[in-house]
Amino acid sequence: DTEVTQTPKHLVMGMTNKKSLKCEQHMGHRAMYWYKQKAKKPPELMFVYSYEKLSINESVPSRFSPECPNSSLLNLHLHALQPEDSALYLCASSQRDRDEQYFGPGTRLTVT
Amino acid sequence: QKEVEQNSGPLSVPEGAIASLNCTYSDRVSQSFFWYRQYSGKSPELIMSIYSNGDKEDGRFTAQLNKASQYVSLLIRDSQPSDSATYLCAVNMNSGYSTLTFGKGTMLLVSP
Repeated sequence: DTEVTQTPKHLVMGMTNKKSLKCEQHMGHRAMYWYKQKAKKPPELMFVYSYEKLSINESVPSRFSPECPNSSLLNLHLHALQPEDSALYLCASSQRDRDEQYFGPGTRLTVT
Repeated sequence: QKEVEQNSGPLSVPEGAIASLNCTYSDRVSQSFFWYRQYSGKSPELIMSIYSNGDKEDGRFTAQLNKASQYVSLLIRDSQPSDSATYLCAVNMNSGYSTLTFGKGTMLLVSP
């Protein structure tokens, strides 16, 4: 089973709202990732967690705040977003870093 | 700058033909190579991974890797209209942690 789940599927939020995206995997993977994807562009890496520790932050603005409560869960907390942050947010996981990554279905975020 | 290059397409092939998708990468020490399929509005789906020179076959898909030429390709035999999607080449640039560098993707259109 190579399933990564993400909730919600769609999210509309105002620029003053606070919301969270959730990601879960039960494959025993020890690396988890957040990506942002705009239309007709490849995924852009935002954060990498390896063994529940933040290992990479690709210079993402502080209005995006990741959290890894345990080895199966990954959250992305959103606050004071801008309309240009509207995108598909993808979570992925891999057995270890450097292994093949499996993506969840994504959360389609619209900031109004 | 480490890059992955793909022809953006679209690549148009008739049903039943062989589709050939190509990818070049700049970092000679790259070790892991992946092909993802992405339907419009959906998340990337891993279809092939390859780690050593030569061919790797899985059903109608064959991945080919030539590290000396820094070239990886994906062949799809007996192409079907359901194969119409964007194909993303991803390379692990072996920079410590598993950070995939994606090409911009090639759109494949298979006509009935």
